[in-house]
Amino acid sequence: GAVVSQHPSRVICKSGTSVKIECRSLDFQATTMFWYRQFPKKSLMLMATSNEGSKATYEQGVEKDKFLINHASLTLSTLTVTSAHPEDSSFYICSARERASRVTEAFFGQGTRLTVV
Amino acid sequence: AQSVTQPDIHITVSEGASLELRCNYSYGATPYLFWYVQSPGQGLQLLLKYFSGDTLVQGIKGFEAEFKRSQSSFNLRKPSVHWSDAAEYFCAVGARGATNKLIFGTGTLLAVQP
Repeated sequence: GAVVSQHPSRVICKSGTSVKIECRSLDFQATTMFWYRQFPKKSLMLMATSNEGSKATYEQGVEKDKFLINHASLTLSTLTVTSAHPEDSSFYICSARERASRVTEAFFGQGTRLTVV
Repeated sequence: AQSVTQPDIHITVSEGASLELRCNYSYGATPYLFWYVQSPGQGLQLLLKYFSGDTLVQGIKGFEAEFKRSQSSFNLRKPSVHWSDAAEYFCAVGARGATNKLIFGTGTLLAVQP
């Protein structure tokens, strides 16, 4: 089956620094990748949709300058949390949609637990 | 815009008992529907999906779900729950379109007691 690898699984950073999270599709080409944020005991909130080679589309209320998304290749998308603050601490999950798929089926990474201290 | 409602935040069932998790959606056309399971600190695993055709879909781990258009529902069922089924379950709806993004319900936390 399709595998999506997310790295790192856990990261702790100091307030004011930036953190990069990688999302890779290991055995398929992903034209579209999605980034979600999950608060404790809450559902997944879609942050942005990224298409390979173009700018990401951010959901309402998500700061594009705060959460930088790059999707430079068909197998890699990155989310950079810039100037992180404690309120950015959360569980971030990416998903990837296979290029050849005609219907919606996204495969999820294992998530990244970000803690900003 | 599509939306998903999972009315039950938390459910506890006894091992071996049957299970039904409710999911209602709002969407202007026939949506794509999914059920995912998430163990603590982990990503999401797809249990099953509905795109078209037979409204009763079978998934992994003995789960099934039935799409009922008249009720805008896609409830998840399992005839006999195992202790390893304890996890958070998310229903999601996907739009048929270029973006195909998924909108998730708030989740149902399933506890299984011996």
